[in-house]
Amino acid sequence: AQKITQTQPGMFVQEKEAVTLDCTYDTSDQSYGLFWYKQPSSGEMIFLIYQGSYDEQNATEGRYSLNFQKARKSANLVISASQLGDSAMYFCAMREVPGGGYNKLIFGAGTRLAVHP
Amino acid sequence: SQTIHQWPATLVQPVGSPLSLECTVEGTSNPNLYWYRQAAGRGLQLLFYSVGIGQISSEVPQNLSASRPQDRQFILSSKKLLLSDSGFYLCAWSWAGASDTQYFGPGTRLTVL
Repeated sequence: AQKITQTQPGMFVQEKEAVTLDCTYDTSDQSYGLFWYKQPSSGEMIFLIYQGSYDEQNATEGRYSLNFQKARKSANLVISASQLGDSAMYFCAMREVPGGGYNKLIFGAGTRLAVHP
Repeated sequence: SQTIHQWPATLVQPVGSPLSLECTVEGTSNPNLYWYRQAAGRGLQLLFYSVGIGQISSEVPQNLSASRPQDRQFILSSKKLLLSDSGFYLCAWSWAGASDTQYFGPGTRLTVL
């Protein structure tokens, strides 16, 4: 079965510094997708970045980049130049495609990031 | 652009009472729709998904049911709430198909007393 592991329950970083949030995954599928979502205290899950298993280059979206190491089955999120508004829970998720025209997201337990001024 | 709405935002209900949570999507047609539940301090668990009107599939056996009476409307219901139904309920949509990103609504925080 597919599994996502986030080993850092909490992280803190100084404003304007970079931070890496860890994510490892387990799957026997050859084709899969990996996502990062941000959940601020309001509760909404905000999509940040996506990496496909066949993508040769690491995904980037503004200050977010995904450090994808396929052989190690890791998909770490790097946030550059942290801002106070980055303080939130961050979830790594893997897309599972059971068949039937839909996909299912398997979520990790999350990492709470605190950005200090 | 597409937007997704959920209501109510918060709800406090007694054990044994009925439940109806609503989710609507604007700006798209024939989306896939999903209901997730998040227990306190945990990740999300998929409860139901729908690929079209009247087409509902359940991921886990439970006290809840779902319906899709219109293309862009997804409803989560229960006839009798249990204490264990408390949690944060999130609705999500994606473009039809199996490979697209899911986008989430603002969520409903349900407390069953």
